[in-house]
Amino acid sequence: DAGVIQSPRHEVTEMGQEVTLRCKPISGHNSLFWYRQTMMRGLELLIYFNNNVPIDDSGMPEDRFSAKMPNASFSTLKIQPSEPRDSAVYFCASSRTGTYNEQFFGPGTRLTVL
Amino acid sequence: SQQGEEDPQALSIQEGENATMNCSYKTSINNLQWYRQNSGRGLVHLILIRSNEREKHSGRLRVTLDTSKKSSSLLITASRAADTASYFCATDTFATSSNYKLTFGKGTLLTVNP
Repeated sequence: DAGVIQSPRHEVTEMGQEVTLRCKPISGHNSLFWYRQTMMRGLELLIYFNNNVPIDDSGMPEDRFSAKMPNASFSTLKIQPSEPRDSAVYFCASSRTGTYNEQFFGPGTRLTVL
Repeated sequence: SQQGEEDPQALSIQEGENATMNCSYKTSINNLQWYRQNSGRGLVHLILIRSNEREKHSGRLRVTLDTSKKSSSLLITASRAADTASYFCATDTFATSSNYKLTFGKGTLLTVNP
């Protein structure tokens, strides 16, 4: 299994530009999570999906952030417009739904907004 | 605030020594997980302990859980330079049958010196 795949691995953009991060979960996993990691705030859960349906988006910082999961094998996290404070590493993780299941993390996308 | 808080924030030891990291949390949990993150990588699941378990072993890892004190510890025995990483505890907040997510602490940075 290839594991969770994220693209791009690095993204440098200018303030005001739209940024789209992509994630392909592990086949057979029906829960998908988007996290943001910074030195100051640690690892924050932004949103997660169960069977392609958003369950909890309370961690999404503001309306500039949106996430979709059109099918079981693909999800996007979009920031529009981007701001320098959005600079962070964004992780996607997937798991089989259930309380005793580990999450498998992708390698992350390092986003720098200038 | 974070559900899980690791202690210490940083730990530096010599190869061969044991490393102990602690995690405290605030609300009742179903299970607690420990993850490792190597620099520049995604998180990797190490071990899960259920709320009705008190101790669990996996190779050189030993995890304890004290639900009365709302705390857990991760012990790595006979540490190696390759154990150098950040270690995170994560607790679940299982509100409904379809709402499952993990809340991560800020982690302990372990450095094992050769």
